[in-house]
Formats: sequence, C-alpha cells, structure tokens
Amino acid sequence: QVQLQESGPGLVKPSETLSLMCTVSGYSIGSGFYWGWIRQPPGKGPEWIGTIYHSGTTSYNPPLKSRFTISMDTSNNQLSLKVGSVTAADTAVYYCARQEGGIFDVWGQGTVVTVSS
Amino acid sequence: EIVMTQSPATLSVSPGERATLSCRASQYISRHLAWYQQKPGQAPRLLIYDASTRATGIPDRFSGSGSGTEFTLTISSLQSEDFALYYCQNYDNWPPLTFGGGTRVEIK
Repeated sequence: QVQLQESGPGLVKPSETLSLMCTVSGYSIGSGFYWGWIRQPPGKGPEWIGTIYHSGTTSYNPPLKSRFTISMDTSNNQLSLKVGSVTAADTAVYYCARQEGGIFDVWGQGTVVTVSS
Repeated sequence: EIVMTQSPATLSVSPGERATLSCRASQYISRHLAWYQQKPGQAPRLLIYDASTRATGIPDRFSGSGSGTEFTLTISSLQSEDFALYYCQNYDNWPPLTFGGGTRVEIK
C-alpha cells in the first residue's frame, strides 16, 4: 500500500527559499505513475503546483512556474519541492500526491507552511 | 485555464436526506472530472473520477454524473461521516489541473 509523507520547516521568513520533502513508501517512484504537489491556503480550495513524471520530466502550473522547482530522488524514493522568494501568499498546507494521469488518487497528510518574519 | 465553479457554497442537509452538489466547467472537458471529499485537518480523498466512476472503497451512496460542462455529485442518504467539504477537479487536456472552490455540506 503506497503512502506519502511530507516534511518541511513549518515557518519560513519572507524572501527565503522553502524546501519540502515527500517520502514515498510502498512503491518505487521511478517505476511509474506521476507525482504531484498541491497546496491549499487557509480557508481556500486546493491549487495544483506541478507534477513530476516517473521519467523525471516536470510540468508546472503556469502562474507558479517561475518560483517552483520539483525534483525526485529515486535512490531515497523522495520527491522535493523548492519555492523561491516566498511571501505571505505562499502560506498554505502543502500536499504531495500520487497521480494516475490527472487524478490524485493517494495523498500525503500535508505539511503546514507559514511565511512570516 | 479552465475555471471550475461549484454551487452552492454551503448545503444544509439533514442526516438521511439526499444531497446534490453541482460543478460547472468554463469550457468543454468531456468526462475528465474528479470529486474529492475533505474533512477538517485531513487531506482530500478521491471519491469519483471520469465523472461517474467510484474510487476504490467508496460507498455506493456516492454517485457522479454529467459530461461536457455540467457535473453533479449526489449523496443518496447522508451519513454523519459525509458532512465535509467537497471539491471537483478538471483534468482535461492538462496542464493546468484546476479545482473548484468547494461545497461545504453541513448538518441542517
């Protein structure tokens, strides 16, 4: 049974770079599927950030593309999300999820990120 | 970008009653529509994909219908555990993948 677990710093200062990790168990991420990152600001709906394919190719939500970088480490079975020059608008719960095509069928529990000085 | 609009924002329903949630796409998306349920403090959970196919383990009181631009999620007889937020999501010709703003189903 595949499981995903996000981890991150919790609190980040404005203008800094945010680094998040997603550890996948029960499936080798390089074997197949797509793997996505989604965020959810307080009181709002989910927002797709981007997806990395098992081949390593990435696809991003156009408004976010310039500051967000998704990568994968198949040896440790982990996904990574980096967000540059964060602002208060990046405050959200960040989720990683397995994708079957465009469908998010397995989600991590999420990690809360607050941007504040 | 395809915009997904959900209505109503809040739906008040008594336990045992039927709930009908709507989702509209700003352009044609065939049947490339998924529904998710989210409870407080939890991640969204996939309920329905391809507009009407229930995900693994989802009770048959949940049903989805529609195609093109108009979609419906129906909960036939609300149980206490069904009071939650529901989101629709488009996956036609992505990127991008887009979600609706959500419908909160609350106890009447």
